[in-house]
Amino acid sequence: AAGVIQSPRHLIKEKRETATLKCYPIPRHDTVYWYQQGPGQDPQFLISFYEKMQSDKGSIPDRFSAQQFSDYHSELNMSSLELGDSALYFCASSLGGNIQYFGAGTRLSVL
Amino acid sequence: AQKVTQAQTEISVVEKEDVTLDCVYETRDTTYYLFWYKQPPSGELVFLIRRNSFDEQNEISGRYSWNFQKSTSSFNFTITASQVVDSAVYFCALSENSPRGDTGRRALTFGSGTRLQVQP
Repeated sequence: AAGVIQSPRHLIKEKRETATLKCYPIPRHDTVYWYQQGPGQDPQFLISFYEKMQSDKGSIPDRFSAQQFSDYHSELNMSSLELGDSALYFCASSLGGNIQYFGAGTRLSVL
Repeated sequence: AQKVTQAQTEISVVEKEDVTLDCVYETRDTTYYLFWYKQPPSGELVFLIRRNSFDEQNEISGRYSWNFQKSTSSFNFTITASQVVDSAVYFCALSENSPRGDTGRRALTFGSGTRLQVQP
């Protein structure tokens, strides 16, 4: 069965650079969520989209933005990267408020 | 505000032992969902179970079982006859009701996780 696809799997950036993470939800899933997991931490909710509209907002910094496109894929854009942004970024998708299935994550390292 | 507490930071057992991972939650909502996810060393988050607040039936799936008790706000997870492949971080999570009433679309609030090490 198709799963949530995230790209890239690994990303290395310098401070103050920009990064874009992509997420392709499970086909026919209508809701996408983004989470950030710092080293040794639990995942923290950033933002979600339902039918291409922003649905919920968590602790997402102003330097980050996200959107969901007409094909339901989503992108998380991160600007002015800081060392503290180094983390595992997860995308999850669900259908009709059902179980959230997670992608394998993008590991971002900011040097 | 919602909160999930996993008091056990790390548990180490020997293969074939039974182990219970504790989860206590706080919420003001009467409608909510509880989850367990597994995060193996490879890093992905694997869904294990979802339970809604109106269903207190315990569940068993192979070597896994879950005990949901609203009276104590607990949703504990037991692995019977543990195996080395069970070694992972296990997260308990909560999803509350949204203003629109679509509980499931709310974000998950995770506990801090319990690292389980199963020694051969």
